[in-house]
Amino acid sequence: SQQGEEDPQALSIQEGENATMNCSYKTSINNLQWYRQNSGRGLVHLILIRSNEREKHSGRLRVTLDTSKKSSSLLITASRAADTASYFCAKYNAGKSTFGDGTTLTVKP
Amino acid sequence: NAGVTQTPKFQVLKTGQSMTLQCAQDMNHEYMSWYRQDPGMGLRLIHYSVGAGITDQGEVPNGYNVSRSTTEDFPLRLLSAAPSQTSVYFCASSYSSGDRLAGGPRFTDTQYFGPGTRLTVL
Repeated sequence: SQQGEEDPQALSIQEGENATMNCSYKTSINNLQWYRQNSGRGLVHLILIRSNEREKHSGRLRVTLDTSKKSSSLLITASRAADTASYFCAKYNAGKSTFGDGTTLTVKP
Repeated sequence: NAGVTQTPKFQVLKTGQSMTLQCAQDMNHEYMSWYRQDPGMGLRLIHYSVGAGITDQGEVPNGYNVSRSTTEDFPLRLLSAAPSQTSVYFCASSYSSGDRLAGGPRFTDTQYFGPGTRLTVL
């Protein structure tokens, strides 16, 4: 069974708006990773956040982590049509990742 | 560095046929793993390896075999293909805490994924 669950399953916004995706997990983590996957393509690693970190930024991306609630969120600010993709969170430990089923983001121009 | 490479990119099999999906990495990573991704879902772990000669099962291992005779290669074998194995297969590699690099940073928490193999079983 999948350890992570993303919420919402699908999100549709207008270009320029912010997009927030949430990820919940069931067991303790060493770190949490966020990936992007364009339709029919491979995975692109976005951000890694470790269990002792609360927030990380990378360009227009901001990831937060709340270990007490076993949840993480990915915020994409000032979205662009090119951000249209599926976004996954994954727990990683010793060579193995456990993925959620992802959030499909559609950014309308 | 080529990173993680997978061959073939596409494959069509008939039920009952066998084949091997190839995965290679040139980063001297100890950890390698295989995942499958079905439509609308995340990746699920099939098998993984923590070093040459050592493999273990993941979440969905049935119908697949692996071996790891070298650090670089981690092939995935489908023994008798079934329509339920129609999927996209991704290979990944990552550093272990014991890996050594000749200079440069060590990223022990990040998996590097290959481009995937799209398999259809008729």
